[in-house]
This record gives sequence, structure tokens and C-alpha cells, in this order.
Amino acid sequence: AQSVSQHNHHVILSEAASLELGCNYSYGGTVNLFWYVQYPGQHLQLLLKYFSGDPLVKGIKGFEAEFIKSKFSFNLRKPSVQWSDTAEYFCAVTRNSGGYQKVTFGIGTKLQVIP
Amino acid sequence: EAQVTQNPRYLITVTGKKLTVTCSQNMNHEYMSWYRQDPGLGLRQIYYSMNVEVTDKGDVPEGYKVSRKEKRNFPLILESPSPNQTSLYFCASSTGQKNNSPLHFGNGTRLTVT
Repeated sequence: AQSVSQHNHHVILSEAASLELGCNYSYGGTVNLFWYVQYPGQHLQLLLKYFSGDPLVKGIKGFEAEFIKSKFSFNLRKPSVQWSDTAEYFCAVTRNSGGYQKVTFGIGTKLQVIP
Repeated sequence: EAQVTQNPRYLITVTGKKLTVTCSQNMNHEYMSWYRQDPGLGLRQIYYSMNVEVTDKGDVPEGYKVSRKEKRNFPLILESPSPNQTSLYFCASSTGQKNNSPLHFGNGTRLTVT
């Protein structure tokens, strides 16, 4: 069965620190990868996605992620976090199942940025 | 404005009293799905629908029903709610035909069953 692992469940950083959130998936076939962000009290929003081409993808608000196929990983990075980045981050993987996308989410990583 | 609309945002009910959470999207999306979000468990899919009159179980379907009579609407029905269904629920939609189409989420419904 397809699974998505997020290694860090709760991360606390000071402003301007660098961020890397880990995401690994288990499915061996063709996948598409997403990071969603959920700000406090809000719904999930797309941060960035990868489906082909350059494995380093850039998203909104200075976030980027790198797809490393050999490691089944899609880690999220940001060089310098801000207090407004405090949120929960979800990695998601989709694969084709019966002609449409089957989506599996990781359990999420809560990021707290201290001013 | 393209959006997924869920109602209500907050709902408190008692065990056994049937309830419906509505979900509507205005993007002509074929794919719609329901998730529940619980601390430490992330998002788990309850039901999904690939198109009108086509629905299927997700990972945690027990205790829930759905229907897809129209493309834009995908209500979630709890025939006899129980306290273990207290959770935060999200409806989402996408074009569904391509793996790289992201999900668009509603604002969530926080349900408490006493």
C-alpha cells in the first residue's frame, strides 16, 4: 500500500533559521508529489507540486522542494523562515489508480516559528 | 471566485442524531472527496467521487455515507453519529483526470458529537 512518511512531527525554529522538512513515500511507480500548508484555523492550500522535469521545484513564499527519486524523497526547504510561516505542512503523493488520482497524505509537520 | 464551500463551519450534535455536511464547488471539477483530520493522524480519506453517481470508499468510510447526484455537490452524511466521529472534516475537489492536478479544499467543518 502507498504510504507517506513525514519524519518531523513538530519543529520549532527561530526567525531567519533555515528549514527542511522530510517526506518519504513508499510507492515505486510513477507518482506526483505535493506539499500543502495549513495556517492556523484555515484550510489546506497548495504550496508546491512536482510531476516532471526539474526535480527542484519552487513554490510560493520562498519555499522549494527537491525530488530525489532514488531516495523516494521530496523534502521541503526554506532558507530563512518567518513568523508567518507558522503552520502545519502536509506532504502528499498521488498515483494513477483506475484512471484517476489516488492521494495519500503524510500525518503533517507542525512548524512553530519564534520571533 | 473559484472555491469549495462547506457548511456548517461548526456543528455540535448528540449521539445518534443524523446530520449532513454539505460541500459545493464551482470549478466544474469531476473529482470530489471527503477527509477527516485528527491530531497525530493527518488527513484520512473517507469517501471520494470520480464523477456524478460514481462514489467509492476511502480509507475510513465506516459510519459515513455520501451521494453525488450533481457534479457540484458532494454531501457527507452521518446517519447515526458517535463520539469517535468528532473531528475536523474537509471537502476537496480537483479535475481528477491528471495526477498533477492539486486538490482545492473547503474551509472545514468542526464536528463535535457528545
